[in-house]
Amino acid sequence: DQQVKQNSPSLSVQEGRISILNCDYTNSMFDYFLWYKKYPAEGPTFLISISSIKDKNEDGRFTVFLNKSAKHLSLHIVPSQPGDSAVYFCAAQYNDYKLSFGAGTTVTVRA
Amino acid sequence: DAGVTQSPTHLIKTRGQQVTLRCSPKSGHDTVSWYQQALGQGPQFIFQYYEEEERQRGNFPDRFSGHQFPNYSSELNVNALLLGDSALYLCASSLGSAFEQFFGPGTRLTVL
Repeated sequence: DQQVKQNSPSLSVQEGRISILNCDYTNSMFDYFLWYKKYPAEGPTFLISISSIKDKNEDGRFTVFLNKSAKHLSLHIVPSQPGDSAVYFCAAQYNDYKLSFGAGTTVTVRA
Repeated sequence: DAGVTQSPTHLIKTRGQQVTLRCSPKSGHDTVSWYQQALGQGPQFIFQYYEEEERQRGNFPDRFSGHQFPNYSSELNVNALLLGDSALYLCASSLGSAFEQFFGPGTRLTVL
């Protein structure tokens, strides 16, 4: 059962513009959400996270927004840079330690 | 400070064989989780080891087993390999029940 969904398999954005990645989840028990970034031939790298008690978390160019009522979160990257081209995974967790991942969104930043 | 390391990088096996994958956690971490990532999908949780015991398990058959050693390193064993076991196997480490997990580069397993 796919409890975390990323419905956009790919996103193309011009350098300097905003990238918006979306993620939906079905399990209302999730209380912690993470975004990971993955380059080819490397493991996923932690990017940013948010607790369910918050609705926004910022870290430099990266901001994650959480809408609990809609069971939706998004990642904003501003401004987008060529080095941001990668696969981005949304993940969710509750008190059972495991991470439940979405299928990923491939971001391509055009010069 | 070494991150999470995995060996081997690539592996080719035939159906019915057995395979062992290895993982060394990030320095200071005591918890190891294993994930399977099939092509075009996100990582799927296999199991997690803490204090040398399996703490939690995902929806994988008993053909998948693991072990954690006193130095916190871990092995993933898969018996009676099927074609569908072909995937990238990721190891992640963390400290205790910390939410943030650090991933290794993975082992690419191909079953022919």
